[in-house]
Amino acid sequence: GAVVSQHPSRVICKSGTSVKIECRSLDFQATTMFWYRQFPKQSLMLMATSNEGSKATYEQGVEKDKFLINHASLTLSTLTVTSAHPEDSSFYICSFLGRGDPNEQFFGPGTRLTVL
Amino acid sequence: KQEVTQIPAALSVPEGENLVLNCSFTDSAIYNLQWFRQDPGKGLTSLLLIQSSQREQTSGRLNASLDKSSGRSTLYIAASQPGDSATYLCAVPNQAGTALIFGKGTTLSVSS
Repeated sequence: GAVVSQHPSRVICKSGTSVKIECRSLDFQATTMFWYRQFPKQSLMLMATSNEGSKATYEQGVEKDKFLINHASLTLSTLTVTSAHPEDSSFYICSFLGRGDPNEQFFGPGTRLTVL
Repeated sequence: KQEVTQIPAALSVPEGENLVLNCSFTDSAIYNLQWFRQDPGKGLTSLLLIQSSQREQTSGRLNASLDKSSGRSTLYIAASQPGDSATYLCAVPNQAGTALIFGKGTTLSVSS
């Protein structure tokens, strides 16, 4: 399968600061990618869908001004959590949508964000 | 709205046992169903993907079945090993057929 990296793998920050998470596909190009988050003991929930070169589509309840997504190229997307608060502490995972049939998704290893 | 449920939430078995994990979904109009493995604090590893036209898929000691009409899938693990200890997630595509809707997972613990 395709390889997706995320950086950083773990970050601790103070309340009110902004954190940028980078998601990169290492061996393929993808037009569409997704950001999910997972709270403890909960399932992964889709936050937003983004297509390269256009604005991201956010799921209901996800603030687009708080979670800034930049799908800069076919291999790179960033998620910036602005003015982070303790309730934003979660596990954030990105995925790229493959072009094959079926449309498999290739997931990054995730980023554990802890906001103090 | 599609909902995915996994039963049981947790399972503990001794090494060598065969076991079945269950997944159900409310909307049977799915393109495919996927099973993932997640180790603590880690990302997802895709285990098996079953197309809507298929009834099962096998990979090594894993066998996944799909019954679309009843909205169910099972993941069968044969001869379980301590290394199988992880959380197993099932997921189906959303209505757009792109992003995935996940269950909460079954956390498996296999003791030696």
